Amino acid sequence: SYVLTQPPSVSVAPGQTAGITCGGNNIGVKSVHWYQQRPGQAPVLVVYDDSVRPSGIPERFSGSKSGNMATLTISRVEAGDEADYYCQVWDSSSDHWVFGGGTKLTVL
Amino acid sequence: EVQLLESGGGLVQPGGSLRLSCTASGFTFSNYAMSWVRQAPGKGLEWVSALSGSGGSTYYADSVKGRFTISRDNSKNTQYLQMSGLRAEDTAVYYCAKANIMVVLGYFDYWGLGTLVTVSS
Repeated sequence: SYVLTQPPSVSVAPGQTAGITCGGNNIGVKSVHWYQQRPGQAPVLVVYDDSVRPSGIPERFSGSKSGNMATLTISRVEAGDEADYYCQVWDSSSDHWVFGGGTKLTVL
Repeated sequence: EVQLLESGGGLVQPGGSLRLSCTASGFTFSNYAMSWVRQAPGKGLEWVSALSGSGGSTYYADSVKGRFTISRDNSKNTQYLQMSGLRAEDTAVYYCAKANIMVVLGYFDYWGLGTLVTVSS
């Protein structure tokens, strides 16, 4: 089955830039989506189709992809960005949606 | 405004059954695929099941295939997850999620608040 690999944790100081990676075999041919989940809340879509921001999501959130890695970048990090972040793809070989293991972003 | 409201969670014994419901509003329900995603305590998101807007195509994670059945009633704007043969490892918050298109593909643009299922004796 398809696997997406994320670092368990990322730490960043307020005002700095955080990068959260998501690796997967041949991820370059798949559309990658990102979700933010604050403690005790439901997930929220923050980037879809690799790099598109839904309406209402700050421009500080951006997505990119290169080779076998997708990256969610959060610029000018704020305390309110502290959350778990998950990447997701649709795996057409298994007809399964797949989530990465999640990355806990800590704002120092 | 899109709203997804789950119900039906609770405490059930191992081997037991439970049916979850998700009632939707704020969009044309039959035009979109729907899904269930769960999150065990302290763990990450796990996709469970999905079905197309018509309900004609259904998909299951390997961990629940043969035990869970997804369905929908477009006249009631509701999707269901019938769970049987429940195990302790099925304990989780179950989220209802709306896909962005009619077929099972793409991403989840809206999520419900979740309903807790606890499997324990």
